[in-house]
Amino acid sequence: DTAVSQTPKYLVTQMGNDKSIKCEQNLGHDTMYWYKQDSKKFLKIMFSYNNKELIINETVPNRFSPKSPDKAHLNLHINSLELGDSAVYFCASSQDPGGPLVDEQFFGPGTRLTVL
Amino acid sequence: GQSLEQPSEVTAVEGAIVQINCTYQTSGFYGLSWYQQHDGGAPTFLSYNALDGLEETGRFSSFLSRSDSYGYLLLQELQMKDSASYFCAVRPPYNTDKLIFGTGTRLQVFP
Repeated sequence: DTAVSQTPKYLVTQMGNDKSIKCEQNLGHDTMYWYKQDSKKFLKIMFSYNNKELIINETVPNRFSPKSPDKAHLNLHINSLELGDSAVYFCASSQDPGGPLVDEQFFGPGTRLTVL
Repeated sequence: GQSLEQPSEVTAVEGAIVQINCTYQTSGFYGLSWYQQHDGGAPTFLSYNALDGLEETGRFSSFLSRSDSYGYLLLQELQMKDSASYFCAVRPPYNTDKLIFGTGTRLQVFP
């Protein structure tokens, strides 16, 4: 049983297109995240949702719009894709919002986005 | 703000011991975590230090010294499968659900 799953695993698209990445967790966690990992492997948080409510938005361009239909799902929609959006995007989840268990985050397998 | 610096690369041979350092500049945080990431894989949680001192989990140990703004991950009896990138991370007190990751250290274990 996969704890945190993402689809698709690979995404290759042209500049200017709109694309979505889906994420689901079956751990019963209240908090979900999106991270971006660039070509130098630097891992940076983009968004955090707690029980469907946006908690963190790390000055991400508004072309990126997360959506959480329920606390087990957090999708990421990206409009007008740019070359600089090429990266690996990881979804993650954790329990105990605001508590010590938040530090143990469970990551999905990642989506490698390539913008041509 | 927070910044966590790590050596970019460390190499060692099987069976050896290696220490991966994490030095930070931050106004405060709840604790220091370590994550492992194999090439093409996802980061996975290794350990967490809420207090100063050493935490041991099998072959891996993690250390924190808040007074020295320093922590490290110690890997003993290295195995080939330990070749991966290792990240330290902190959670700042003003935003309790956010992890800030270090620059990452790529460990290569040779036979």
